[in-house]
Amino acid sequence: DTEVTQTPKHLVMGMTNKKSLKCEQHMGHRAMYWYKQKAKKPPELMFVYSYEKLSINESVPSRFSPECPNSSLLNLHLHALQPEDSALYLCASSQEAGVTGELFFGEGSRLTVL
Amino acid sequence: GEDVEQSLFLSVREGDSSVINCTYTDSSSTYLYWYKQEPGAGLQLLTYIFSNMDMKQDQRLTVLLNKKDKHLSLRIADTQTGDSAIYFCAEKTSGTYKYIFGTGTRLKVLA
Repeated sequence: DTEVTQTPKHLVMGMTNKKSLKCEQHMGHRAMYWYKQKAKKPPELMFVYSYEKLSINESVPSRFSPECPNSSLLNLHLHALQPEDSALYLCASSQEAGVTGELFFGEGSRLTVL
Repeated sequence: GEDVEQSLFLSVREGDSSVINCTYTDSSSTYLYWYKQEPGAGLQLLTYIFSNMDMKQDQRLTVLLNKKDKHLSLRIADTQTGDSAIYFCAEKTSGTYKYIFGTGTRLKVLA
């Protein structure tokens, strides 16, 4: 199983809503990532979890709150978002940092904030 | 700096070869990758190369690395319409989790 599964595929929310994006992998990878991608742009790193601990936070606004309940699951909790937060949110996983570390991406969750 | 530059657009005819170029600036990069992204989808790893290699071939894909010039290229032989996508190069230093992605090249294959 070399899949990273993301749900939901599409999400529309208002600025006062609270929602969550979910990500799951069963490859035994110990690093999991959230990226944000705007149209025609490269992915921008948001967060990295390594061994279920937050390893990198790229100065992401607190309205985005990541959570790693176990080594296979990664969530991104969303609250009080702005229209400019509309984007494709990509989850990825990899082995430990010291090895070749290919990133395996999910298909993404397309978020629209009204 | 951590800039990874790619040309924005490439158009080729079906059956021709495509060459997508990438220039990076971080000389400590250990691994360099090529990813493909089709519309509405995530990124798919195509191939990668270690910084101590000059070339890697994998079926229709050939990766060339010129470490002195910090230049990476991806050649796709016998390009097909299914190869139409955005291609991102990426670099990473061993021991880190930070991947630096290039600006992306949109490849259009004409039938």
